[in-house]
Amino acid sequence: DVQMTQSPSNLAASPGESVSINCKASKSISKYLAWYQQKPGKANKLLIYSGSTLQSGTPSRFSGSGSGTDFTLTIRNLEPEDFGLYYCQQHNEYPPTFGAGTKLELK
Amino acid sequence: EVQLQESGPGLVKPSQSLSLTCSVTGYSITSSYRWNWIRKFPGNKLEWMGYINNAGSTNYNPSLKSRISITRDTSKNQFFLQVNSVTTEDTATYYCARSRITTHYFDYWGQGVMVTVSS
Repeated sequence: DVQMTQSPSNLAASPGESVSINCKASKSISKYLAWYQQKPGKANKLLIYSGSTLQSGTPSRFSGSGSGTDFTLTIRNLEPEDFGLYYCQQHNEYPPTFGAGTKLELK
Repeated sequence: EVQLQESGPGLVKPSQSLSLTCSVTGYSITSSYRWNWIRKFPGNKLEWMGYINNAGSTNYNPSLKSRISITRDTSKNQFFLQVNSVTTEDTATYYCARSRITTHYFDYWGQGVMVTVSS
């Protein structure tokens, strides 16, 4: 299985700031990485797939970059609703595997 | 709009079977797409468990293959998860989710149901 290493595990920021979350695959996954947002009591939300393609409805302040083994999710100009848990997931091969999550908290 | 909703018992005894239902509205499970089960352990680790596709074929995570079964009831637009011989390590929040036939990312998820395995 492809191992996904996500960092940092915790991140504190203020509204208006920009943050980046990193994800590293144990082998090349081409461009096939997805990012999700998870919030208590809500369904997980697909933000980005194929490394940099925004899912319909994802605000433009979210962006994804990377290919091969190294990927980054950047959130610019943080809004209060952006705080929560973020996961990366490789969708290059079965079984799909996830990073351990990054908790984005209000500073 | 596509919506998925998990349901099932919140407490299961060790060595018994865990059975969950995912009810889908807004899209037929017999049309395109795969219908997945994913779980999140305490500590936040996510694990893909398996799927049933629109034709009724299944694919399971090799780590679970001997213990799980995913089935469906097309008349009710529901699909199901059964995990046999559960242990405390199966304590998790269980999610159902949809993925495309040609890709392996999940575009719609349920809110999840927490299942505790305890005597």
